[in-house]
Amino acid sequence: GQNIDQPTEMTATEGAIVQINCTYQTSGFNGLFWYQQHAGEAPTFLSYNVLDGLEEKGRFSSFLSRSKGYSYLLLKELQMKDSASYLCAVPDSNYQLIWGAGTKLIIKP
Amino acid sequence: IAGITQAPTSQILAAGRRMTLRCTQDMRHNAMYWYRQDLGLGLRLIHYSNTAGTTGKGEVPDGYSVSRANTDDFPLTLASAVPSQTSVYFCASSVGGESYNEQFFGPGTRLTVL
Repeated sequence: GQNIDQPTEMTATEGAIVQINCTYQTSGFNGLFWYQQHAGEAPTFLSYNVLDGLEEKGRFSSFLSRSKGYSYLLLKELQMKDSASYLCAVPDSNYQLIWGAGTKLIIKP
Repeated sequence: IAGITQAPTSQILAAGRRMTLRCTQDMRHNAMYWYRQDLGLGLRLIHYSNTAGTTGKGEVPDGYSVSRANTDDFPLTLASAVPSQTSVYFCASSVGGESYNEQFFGPGTRLTVL
């Protein structure tokens, strides 16, 4: 079956770097998504990885290792507005997304 | 451009009542989805539609029905609401049903069933 694990909550300091991990188990692999969700709002797309390696997009980068069933989201130069939940998701065998429970990131001044 | 809209924003409903949550998108996306989000559980797919006229069951379809009469609208109906259906409901859409497509989410409907 499908399974996705993420830490429930993380705390980091403004200006610092934080890495949010996601491990997954799937019967096949069709890519991995990261979404950001601010409290009380809808999720918004951050990244999609289908090949191994690091993809950088401004202050945010996403890494994938298919052999290890592992991904991380790296946030640099943290800002207070980065306080949000970060959701990891992978497609199932019907190509529908299975979502992790999300990691709540708290940024302190 | 509105993107995806959902109505109502929030609703308190008595158990046993029928309720339809509305979702409309103006991006001409082929695929649409309904999720529920509960604390600690993440998003769970209820139903989806890869194109107008077709629908499919997600992870938690029981107690819910959908229809897709046209490209823009994807209503979700609770035939007889129960307290366990208390949740935040998100509608989403994507260009197509392929797994690599980014999904765009509506603002959500907060539903309380008493």
